[in-house]
Amino acid sequence: GAGVSQSPSNKVTEKGKDVELRCDPISGHTALYWYRQSLGQGLEFLIYFQGNSAPDKSGLPSDRFSAERTGGSVSTLTIQRTQQEDSAVYLCASSSIDSPGGLETQYFGPGTRLLVL
Amino acid sequence: QKEVEQDPGPLSVPEGAIVSLNCTYSNSAFQYFMWYRQYSRKGPELLMYTYSSGNKEDGRFTAQVDKSSKYISLFIRDSQPSDSATYLCAIIKAAGNKLTFGGGTRVLVKP
Repeated sequence: GAGVSQSPSNKVTEKGKDVELRCDPISGHTALYWYRQSLGQGLEFLIYFQGNSAPDKSGLPSDRFSAERTGGSVSTLTIQRTQQEDSAVYLCASSSIDSPGGLETQYFGPGTRLLVL
Repeated sequence: QKEVEQDPGPLSVPEGAIVSLNCTYSNSAFQYFMWYRQYSRKGPELLMYTYSSGNKEDGRFTAQVDKSSKYISLFIRDSQPSDSATYLCAIIKAAGNKLTFGGGTRVLVKP
């Protein structure tokens, strides 16, 4: 595909259930990010994967949140024992180096809208 | 205090007007300054980024950075209804690091 894809696009779950959100990055991108966007809020960084390095988990809000990236490509964000405050749009981005500036340009997927009842 | 502050709007302008958006930030370690546009139920898309103080133009869009005041701006000339979206400023400390976003400003351009 040409862009970052995420699935499911929408997820409704009951409080206490576990959920898995999937991200397929752009082919060849070495870096992958997860963000969370709550209603009326900006994007909040969650976790960052770069190649084979240990992920930067500094943004994960609690130990109920975890993520993995298999084979340097697809990533799964897992939320265990979901709470109502977990309701948000979860966005994934992958990045490549913008050669002239050395900046990794992040390309975002459409997000997964999670609603915890 | 948030690291990046942005007025949430909404900002409503008539078609053809200039849209003026801005953000302030608190951490002088920030090096790259970006503007993203986000349409409803879509992911953000990068519009422009700058590295240093000054202006950068791309078509109808101009990004401005004033590092001494920790202030960044985005101007949209000859605004169109298709420019109606939420605009997010984002700042990064170094290449490859995580983005710190403002809360976004919702813009509505009326025909």
